Amino acid sequence: IAGITQAPTSQILAAGRRMTLRCTQDMRHNAMYWYRQDLGLGLRLIHYSNTAGTTGKGEVPDGYSVSRANTDDFPLTLASAVPSQTSVYFCASSDSGDGELFFGEGSRLTVL
Amino acid sequence: AQRVTQPEKLLSVFKGAPVELKCNYSYSGSPELFWYVQYSRQRLQLLLRHISRESIKGFTADLNKGETSFHLKKPFAQEEDSAMYYCALNLGGYSTLTFGKGTMLLVSP
Repeated sequence: IAGITQAPTSQILAAGRRMTLRCTQDMRHNAMYWYRQDLGLGLRLIHYSNTAGTTGKGEVPDGYSVSRANTDDFPLTLASAVPSQTSVYFCASSDSGDGELFFGEGSRLTVL
Repeated sequence: AQRVTQPEKLLSVFKGAPVELKCNYSYSGSPELFWYVQYSRQRLQLLLRHISRESIKGFTADLNKGETSFHLKKPFAQEEDSAMYYCALNLGGYSTLTFGKGTMLLVSP
């Protein structure tokens, strides 16, 4: 059972470069989310999508963009990476909106 | 403003000791609260939610609206409980959860 698949698992990136983190789910969940996890700061919501074709901003959206062209895919793009975007990024999905999120394994991004 | 507060970054106990991981929230509406857990080398997953009032892996959590708290408790900690625990609050529709900063629980033999 795949659930949520994220790619890449880990990436080192030069500052100023563009980067897209991929997220795919096979559960046909309506809602998808991107969080970043930082030591001492916990998980913070970057962007979310309640259904295909719609997106919304979370707590820390600056420097990130998302798209939701279909139900399964929810890529996160850093247009011009900066060192403060060094983090572990988690994609998640939810079907019923009851608070149960299903998470991917995370993508560790280092911006130098 | 911080909506979910977990005051302890690290909680270290011995096997068999009681455990209480603290969570306080700030929300004027009717809160939906959750505990998520991340074991080493595993995905973050839902542990329990206040609506269900269930016990999972021996853990319970009671919503106290007067104290705006949702503390996670277990009477006898096990080594396999060692993990990062996050308290989360659903602020709006469709599971846009706000997480606390997390508490690392270490259970020593």
